[in-house]
Amino acid sequence: AQTVTQSQPEMSVQEAETVTLSCTYDTSESDYYLFWYKQPPSRQMILVIRQEAYKQQNATENRFSVNFQKAAKSFSLKISDSQLGDAAMYFCAYRRGETSGSRLTFGEGTQLTVNP
Amino acid sequence: ETGVTQTPRHLVMGMTNKKSLKCEQHLGHNAMYWYKQSAKKPLELMFVYNFKEQTENNSVPSRFSPECPNSSHLFLHLHTLQPEDSALYLCASSQVSARNEQFFGPGTRLTVL
Repeated sequence: AQTVTQSQPEMSVQEAETVTLSCTYDTSESDYYLFWYKQPPSRQMILVIRQEAYKQQNATENRFSVNFQKAAKSFSLKISDSQLGDAAMYFCAYRRGETSGSRLTFGEGTQLTVNP
Repeated sequence: ETGVTQTPRHLVMGMTNKKSLKCEQHLGHNAMYWYKQSAKKPLELMFVYNFKEQTENNSVPSRFSPECPNSSHLFLHLHTLQPEDSALYLCASSQVSARNEQFFGPGTRLTVL
């Protein structure tokens, strides 16, 4: 079974600084997708960034980027120029490829605090 | 606004009550999901519906009964719940393809007395 582990229950960062959230996963599949979701205090979960396992290039979305290390099964999220609105719970998630269903497996989450 | 709505937002019920949670998506998606989010635990997938057909039941107790009358609506019928069922219940929708993100609703905060 696939598992996703986020080893940092809580992280904090100063406004305008950079922070990296860690995620590791375990799978025997070669075709899969990885996601970072953000859940602000309002509780509406939204997608931050997505990475296809077959792509070597790390995904980037504005101030958000990932460091995808397939061999190490590591998928960290880097937030640059942190803003107060980045404060939220961040979940790493794994999903098997097209032929294997649509289940998302989530990590335990990392609570990010942004200090002004 | 993500296009996925859930009602009610808060629900308090006794163990002998019967209630239903409703989810509606306005995104034209063909897959819908129920998740349970408890404190200090990862999100737990409960049910998956693809094209109105249930494709996954993650060993959920029978006191939770899902219903998907069409691809836009998803219900979770609750009866004889236990206090440990108190949690945030999240609905999500997506296109069936695995690469597509899931869009989440705001959740229903359920308290079982």
